[in-house]
Amino acid sequence: DIQMTQSPSSLSASVGDRVTITCRASQVINIYLNWYQQTPGKAPKLLIYAASTLQSGVPSRFRGSGSGTDFTLTISSLQPEDFATYYCQQSYDTALTFGGGTKVEIK
Amino acid sequence: EVQLVESGGGLVQPGGSLRLSCAASGLNFSHYWMSWVRQAPGKGLEWVANINQVGSEKYYVDSVKGRFSISRDNAKNTLYLQMNSLRAEDTAVYYCARALFVFVAGTFDSWGQGTQVTVSS
Repeated sequence: DIQMTQSPSSLSASVGDRVTITCRASQVINIYLNWYQQTPGKAPKLLIYAASTLQSGVPSRFRGSGSGTDFTLTISSLQPEDFATYYCQQSYDTALTFGGGTKVEIK
Repeated sequence: EVQLVESGGGLVQPGGSLRLSCAASGLNFSHYWMSWVRQAPGKGLEWVANINQVGSEKYYVDSVKGRFSISRDNAKNTLYLQMNSLRAEDTAVYYCARALFVFVAGTFDSWGQGTQVTVSS
């Protein structure tokens, strides 16, 4: 199975900060990479698919980039509602796998 | 508006069985791949299984192969997960999720609220 490794596992940031989360796949997955946001007690929400395509309704401060094995999620100016856990997920293989998550906390 | 509503969770003893259901509305259910994704307490997301539009293709995470079975009834707009030989490590919130596009299997844009499964004696 393809292993997805996210870093960092957690970070502290302030409103207005630029935040970057990385995700590395254990093998080439082209651009079959999705990003989700989850707040406590809620179902995940799709933010970005195909590495860089913004899902409908998602604010433009979210940006995804990368291809092959290395990917990045950037939040250009952190807002109060962005404090959450973020997961990457590969859809290249039939055995779908998620990264371990990155928890974004208030500094 | 797409709505997915899971049911069937509960407390079960190790070795027991449960069948989860996911009732879908507001979408052409039969057009989409559907999946189950779970989240153990305090842990991350884990994809469990998915099924194509007509039920002819099914895939599972290794840890549930031979124990869990995914199925669907397009006439009833319902997705199922039959879980047998349950173990403590199957304890989790189970979400059903719809694929983003009709030609895509592994990207999830609509999720249910989840149903809790607890395996304990």
